[in-house]
Amino acid sequence: EPEVTQTPSHQVTQMGQEVILRCVPISNHLYFYWYRQILGQKVEFLVSFYNNEISEKSEIFDDQFSVERPDGSNFTLKIRSTKLEDSAMYFCASSELGRVGDNSPLHFGNGTRLTVT
Amino acid sequence: AQSVSQHNHHVILSEAASLELGCNYSYGGTVNLFWYVQYPGQHLQLLLKYFSGDPLVKGIKGFEAEFIKSKFSFNLRKPSVQWSDTAEYFCAVKAYTGTASKLTFGTGTRLQVTL
Repeated sequence: EPEVTQTPSHQVTQMGQEVILRCVPISNHLYFYWYRQILGQKVEFLVSFYNNEISEKSEIFDDQFSVERPDGSNFTLKIRSTKLEDSAMYFCASSELGRVGDNSPLHFGNGTRLTVT
Repeated sequence: AQSVSQHNHHVILSEAASLELGCNYSYGGTVNLFWYVQYPGQHLQLLLKYFSGDPLVKGIKGFEAEFIKSKFSFNLRKPSVQWSDTAEYFCAVKAYTGTASKLTFGTGTRLQVTL
């Protein structure tokens, strides 16, 4: 079964540094997402992406965050200047469809654990 | 905005016991409902989903869930749990608030099954 793959599995960075989290969505999927889960808390929506632009973003997704699909396969999340509170598990997800009324579920990757020191 | 409540944060059961995990959502419009499972060290996996039709949906590994619209609930059930069901379970609501849908997750329920 096709999978969403994320690299790296664990990233440690110093506060103020830039990090790029990488994701390869399932190849025929059109909608891409980033979620995060701070330790002990719930999974939170960050951003959705379709047709090379952001569809929706949450309040968490401020100017420090950006997403990009640099080529036909990768989907990246960049945090420009990391803060301690950015430490979390970041999940990439993709879905075949995402329009109103569709019935395609999200498929999640294994996540990248980001530790900011 | 939509929200999801999972009332049980940590559940401990013996093998063969029956399971019911509560999930309530808050949203006035059309929703799709999901249960995801996260086994230790693994990614979120879809257990089952409800979109329309029969409110009793069956998923993988013997799990089922019932959508009760009047109660805004989508409880997860399994008649007889196994040790391998030890995991964290997340209820999620998909609502259409913009040009694309997004999932809103509950806080999760950690299930521990003892031998």
